[in-house]
Amino acid sequence: DADVTQTPRNRITKTGKRIMLECSQTKGHDRMYWYRQDPGLGLRLIYYSFDVKDINKGEISDGYSVSRQAQAKFSLSLESAIPNQTALYFCATSETTGELFFGEGSRLTVL
Amino acid sequence: RKEVEQDPGPFNVPEGATVAFNCTYSNSASQSFFWYRQDCRKEPKLLMSVYSSGNEDGRFTAQLNRASQYISLLIRDSKLSDSATYLCVVKPTGFQKLVFGTGTRLLVSP
Repeated sequence: DADVTQTPRNRITKTGKRIMLECSQTKGHDRMYWYRQDPGLGLRLIYYSFDVKDINKGEISDGYSVSRQAQAKFSLSLESAIPNQTALYFCATSETTGELFFGEGSRLTVL
Repeated sequence: RKEVEQDPGPFNVPEGATVAFNCTYSNSASQSFFWYRQDCRKEPKLLMSVYSSGNEDGRFTAQLNRASQYISLLIRDSKLSDSATYLCVVKPTGFQKLVFGTGTRLLVSP
């Protein structure tokens, strides 16, 4: 089983719908991250959390929100999805800001 | 100027060739540097950290040039399985988050 698990792996939705992407980890790491990846733009940080009570905005947080329900769980929400949020989303964990361990990704398409 | 810049490629090389990628970074105070590998439609995975003195892991060698603000990755005796996108990653001083380059794509052909 993967150490960092993302659900759903693929999702197609319509503009205006609320979407939640979930991430859970068994690595015991305190730090968790949400990134999105777009062709030609690389990985961009949406939100990050260094412990259960800590939530920080990344470089592209507008239109997104997160919830850190437990050390092992970090979910990303799109309150009202729009087409330019179509992307590949990755959750990641780390012990320090060295090595990141990524989930397998969630491919979201907003029509 | 982007914080981390890479040539997107693709670099097309035959099996057995030696290939090198560079990555430039804009923050001269950056402290930590990494190369990640990403296969098509897969998650990135750490390939190697880059130390000031340079480091080698089998066929892979990473170097840091602080004066010119770039890091490099050298792959010797390329294998078909080396075909992937190589992401340069930098940790700027004082920040807790990593900055990713857009990646360099490598295609190794028979």
